[in-house]
Amino acid sequence: GNSVTQMEGPVTLSEEAFLTINCTYTATGYPSLFWYVQYPGEGLQLLLKATKADDKGSNKGFEATYRKETTSFHLEKGSVQVSDSAVYFCALSPRYSTLTFGKGTMLLVSP
Amino acid sequence: EAGVAQSPRYKIIEKRQSVAFWCNPISGHATLYWYQQILGQGPKLLIQFQNNGVVDDSQLPKDRFSAERLKGVDSTLKIQPAKLEDSAVYLCASSVRGRDTIYEQYFGPGTRLTVT
Repeated sequence: GNSVTQMEGPVTLSEEAFLTINCTYTATGYPSLFWYVQYPGEGLQLLLKATKADDKGSNKGFEATYRKETTSFHLEKGSVQVSDSAVYFCALSPRYSTLTFGKGTMLLVSP
Repeated sequence: EAGVAQSPRYKIIEKRQSVAFWCNPISGHATLYWYQQILGQGPKLLIQFQNNGVVDDSQLPKDRFSAERLKGVDSTLKIQPAKLEDSAVYLCASSVRGRDTIYEQYFGPGTRLTVT
């Protein structure tokens, strides 16, 4: 079946530090990959996506590259801000099908 | 445009009681999803509707959970009777088919259920 594994949190960083949140997946075929973000008290928001191998998704300074050979979709940001503090979810979706989420990684950024 | 609306935002009930959650998707979104998010875990799909028909309810505990989407617009999820392990956030999402056949999902704020 399909599954997503994320690094456990919380990830604690100082403002302007470099961020990496690891995500690996298991799936049949070639799924689309997503990162969602959940700010405190809010619903999930799509952060970025990639639909095929070697695609790079990017948004708000965050990036992730679809690596088929390592079945990974790691999230990166060069310089985090306090406002980036949230829970980040990696997810996959085979075509025409529903989302399978990882457990989420909490990011805490201090000034 | 207005986002996905859910109510109530919070609900506390005793075990064996009943509870219902309501969701109004984004206008024009044919697909509607209900997810259960237990603390410390990612959302898990309970049921997916396409218009007013069920596409996938394989993970819905049908002995106690039910959902309907009459007229293909808003939806109600019910739990009867509730158990302690049903304590979670219940998320509603809706989607419309986008480019490359990817169904981009938009989530509501969720209903936090506490069963005591």
